[in-house]
Amino acid sequence: AQSVTQLDSQVPVFEEAPVELRCNYSSSVSVYLFWYVQYPNQGLQLLLKYLSGSTLVKGINGFEAEFNKSQTSFHLRKPSVHISDTAEYFCAVSGVQTSYDKVIFGPGTSLSVIP
Amino acid sequence: SQTIHQWPATLVQPVGSPLSLECTVEGTSNPNLYWYRQAAGRGLQLLFYSIGIDQISSEVPQNLSASRPQDRQFILSSKKLLLSDSGFYLCAWSETVLSGNTIYFGEGSWLTVV
Repeated sequence: AQSVTQLDSQVPVFEEAPVELRCNYSSSVSVYLFWYVQYPNQGLQLLLKYLSGSTLVKGINGFEAEFNKSQTSFHLRKPSVHISDTAEYFCAVSGVQTSYDKVIFGPGTSLSVIP
Repeated sequence: SQTIHQWPATLVQPVGSPLSLECTVEGTSNPNLYWYRQAAGRGLQLLFYSIGIDQISSEVPQNLSASRPQDRQFILSSKKLLLSDSGFYLCAWSETVLSGNTIYFGEGSWLTVV
């Protein structure tokens, strides 16, 4: 079974500053990794995902994440944040299987962008 | 393109009353369907998932149930709500079977049990 840890429950950052949201996972099999964003009172939207290939994954809204197998991490980064990036961010993992495997979500990190 | 609809958006129910949240997906066939709950300040908890009509798995023991009467329809129900059932409920879908597929979420339903 897989598990996901997001060490930072809240991250405040000033507008136009860089940000990194941390995600670590645990799994006995190879994994697929995801980052989702949730704006207030809305459902979740996919930011990016890693399935295979290049370990640096680029997503929407200027976000990117890097898969590090040795450190079992998938940290999310953005070089310059905007007020509109204020939201909850969820890291998620599923095992690489030939059939269905559940997606396990982390507890989330609340990003607050300060003007 | 595929869309997911979930309703009602907001619901206030007394303790002990029944619940029915409905979700439909359009533009795809035989999707995997999910119900998640998000309690205030907490992450996502998978409640039920379904890989086909009348094929539903429960992840957490509780007084909620789910049904899938049609291929693209997923219903979350309760006969008697508890205060602890309050939260934000999210329906979601993904393409069938293969892992690694993106999960697409509906807009959510706020349930307050009073």
